Order: sequence, then structure tokens, then C-alpha cells
Amino acid sequence: ELKVEQNPLFLSMQEGKNYTIYCNYSTTSDRLYWYRQDPGKSLESLFVLLSNGAVKQEGRLMASLDTKARLSTLHITAAVHDLSATYFCAVALYGGSQGNLIFGKGTKLSVKP
Amino acid sequence: DAGVIQSPRHEVTEMGQEVTLRCKPISGHDYLFWYRQTMMRGLELLIYFNNNVPIDDSGMPEDRFSAKMPNASFSTLKIQPSEPRDSAVYFCASSLHSSNQPQHFGDGTRLSIL
Repeated sequence: ELKVEQNPLFLSMQEGKNYTIYCNYSTTSDRLYWYRQDPGKSLESLFVLLSNGAVKQEGRLMASLDTKARLSTLHITAAVHDLSATYFCAVALYGGSQGNLIFGKGTKLSVKP
Repeated sequence: DAGVIQSPRHEVTEMGQEVTLRCKPISGHDYLFWYRQTMMRGLELLIYFNNNVPIDDSGMPEDRFSAKMPNASFSTLKIQPSEPRDSAVYFCASSLHSSNQPQHFGDGTRLSIL
């Protein structure tokens, strides 16, 4: 059974600081997704990571994937208040169809001035 | 593109009533997913369809839950009879067949069963 663990689950940051959110998963996977959810809103796709060593960046967010360690990281650089949201990683079973996505519990990020 | 469209946005009803949630996926997407989100259990996949055919419904909690996709542009999730523990936010998502595409989520239906 594929299990996905995110940590931390809650993160309070000062503006301007850097931090990393971790996503560990328990079995082989070839696809990992990061999503953002604002309070009361839908989930918005941030990154799709498809291979070992994949790195993607958008603004102050950078995601990476290490399939050998079964680990993905979401790095936040010089945080700003607008980044406050809940971030989810979702992992697909290796060779599985689009439907076999398992979501982590989410990391609730709060960026304070 | 209009995105995934769900209705209603909010639903409040009494225990025992039938509830029907509706979803219109993004045009051209061949996968459709129904999820349920609660504080306790997080985001759970209930069922998903490929080309209008249900592929995996193992996440459907009980026989009280049923889902249909009569055509490529419409799906329903029905709960009959509803119970207070069904209160949650229900999301519909759609995606293209390619595995390198993310799922696109609708705005969700916030369901409260009294």
C-alpha cells in the first residue's frame, strides 16, 4: 500500500525566510505532483515531477524529486505573505493509471510579516 | 477554458434526504475523479472514470454512494440516504490521459447534513 507522509504539517514562517517542505512515500513511484489550496478554495496544480532528479521552479517555489530516496521537497525562498496556503504532494503508483494518486495530509503554511 | 464546473457550491440538507452533486469536466479530458475532503481524513479518492467508464470505485464508502457519467461532459455523485458523517467538501477533478498532466480540480461542493 502506497503511503505518503508530509512534514511538517504546520509551518509558521517569517517573511523573507527560507524553508523546505518534505514529502516521503513508501513504494516505487514515477510521478509526483504538488498542489496548493487556499482556505475554502480548490486545489491548484503547481508542479509535475516525472523523473529522478527532476527540478522545477516557479517564482519563490522550487520542487525536486529523488525517486531513489522516495522523497520530494518543496523549497520556499524568501517567503512572502501571499504564499500562505496548504500545500499537498500527491504520488502516483509506479506504472499506475491517472487514478492511482495518493495525497499527503498537506502542510499548512502561514507566512507572517 | 472554463475549468471544471461543480454544482451546487453549497448544500445543506437534513439526514435521510437524497443529495446529488454535479460535475462538468474540462472539455477534452478523458479522466474524471470524485474526491472527498475532511479535516479528519484529508483528501480521499472516491471513484474515477476513464472515457465515461468507472474504473475504480473502491473508495466509495458505502452503498449509499453512487456515481454516474452518462456522457463525456457530465457526472453525478449521489448520496441516498444522507447521514451527518457525509458532511464534507466534495471535489470533482478531470485530466488528460497523459500521465504527465495534473488533475484539474473544481471549486468543490460544501455539503452539510443536519
